[in-house]
Amino acid sequence: DAMVIQNPRYQVTQFGKPVTLSCSQTLNHNVMYWYQQKSSQAPKLLFHYYDKDFNNEADTPDNFQSRRPNTSFCFLDIRSPGLGDAAMYLCATSPQGPVLDEQFFGPGTRLTVL
Amino acid sequence: AQKITQTQPGMFVQEKEAVTLDCTYDTSDPSYGLFWYKQPSSGEMIFLIYQGSYDQQNATEGRYSLNFQKARKSANLVISASQLGDSAMYFCAMREGVNDYKLSFGAGTTVTVRA
Repeated sequence: DAMVIQNPRYQVTQFGKPVTLSCSQTLNHNVMYWYQQKSSQAPKLLFHYYDKDFNNEADTPDNFQSRRPNTSFCFLDIRSPGLGDAAMYLCATSPQGPVLDEQFFGPGTRLTVL
Repeated sequence: AQKITQTQPGMFVQEKEAVTLDCTYDTSDPSYGLFWYKQPSSGEMIFLIYQGSYDQQNATEGRYSLNFQKARKSANLVISASQLGDSAMYFCAMREGVNDYKLSFGAGTTVTVRA
């Protein structure tokens, strides 16, 4: 089945130790998104790619970076995680085009910072 | 200004009864889409239903229906015949314009279904 896959599902890292979260998709969608979701809050968009065109949200900290080497894969790099970065990180995709399609979400990676 | 407002932080509903989750939105773009997502405790976001701004009829998907009142800018979700598995957080979201790929989410409503 076509889907959005996130690895790992649970990630534990130490304060200040770089961490990379990965997302892959078999939907062949042009647009990929990374969201941060803290407990009992709405997802907050960090950035999105339209093909290779990177779009950063104005309030996304510099600590967060992203790479999209090809259509299928997208990575979220947290250069120096702080305790406040502990959250669920959700990857999503959507097709390009004039139709207002829904975003397809992966299962998320729950990040713990010790 | 808040683009999506969900005023109910939490709701309880009896199994087999219907529940309505409120959502109001704010946009000046004539072309927009409204979405409802379900998020169980496992964390995945599950797409439920979609309503386009130009759609003449209210969207329905199985037990889910969307009460779309364009003039009042509301898009309430109705879940009929609630099941225990419906217990989750529900998010209303909006995408504005065909050239903007971002979703604006509301704060969410937690639904707890009681047996």
